[in-house]
Amino acid sequence: AQSVTQLGSHVSVSEGALVLLRCNYSSSVPPYLFWYVQYPNQGLQLLLKYTTGATLVKGINGFEAEFKKSETSFHLTKPSAHMSDAAEYFCAVSDLRTDGLTFGKGTHLIIQP
Amino acid sequence: DVKVTQSSRYLVKRTGEKVFLECVQDMDHENMFWYRQDPGLGLRLIYFSYDVKMKEKGDIPEGYSVSREKKERFSLILESASTNQTSMYLCASSLGQTGSGANVLTFGAGSRLTVL
Repeated sequence: AQSVTQLGSHVSVSEGALVLLRCNYSSSVPPYLFWYVQYPNQGLQLLLKYTTGATLVKGINGFEAEFKKSETSFHLTKPSAHMSDAAEYFCAVSDLRTDGLTFGKGTHLIIQP
Repeated sequence: DVKVTQSSRYLVKRTGEKVFLECVQDMDHENMFWYRQDPGLGLRLIYFSYDVKMKEKGDIPEGYSVSREKKERFSLILESASTNQTSMYLCASSLGQTGSGANVLTFGAGSRLTVL
């Protein structure tokens, strides 16, 4: 079975600083990995995904993530935080049993002015 | 633009009431899912469906049932609502038919249910 661990339920950064949200996964098969963002009172929106090919994946709003098989990680980064990045972020791994996703518990990103 | 629509954004029900949460997608997707979201617990899968009239239990199906009479509609049913079912409920759909795990899930805006 697969699982996802997101380190840090809350992460606070200053506006303009680097954003780093950590995600480690466990999967018995080569994984497909996803990051979703949830703004207040909204559903989840896809930020980026890794399926095959290039291990550095670029997404929307300036975010990117790197798949590191040796570290079983898929950390999300953004060079310069903006106030509008404040949201809940979820890392997810493909679930072949359901053809859906298994999600981490989420990381709430707080942007300090 | 593809859409997953959850008809009720906010509901308040009493203990013991029967509750229907409706979800409709306009993308001709095969797969549909119901998740429950609680603070600190992330998203947990309740039920999913690959096709019309087909349903499979997820990780936390107890106290819930589902119905998929038409491809575009997937309903979550709480037969007798309890206070511990107060939560945010998220519906999602995906293309399906690949079995590869690469499907992107498209989510609705969520239905926040409070059971008193």
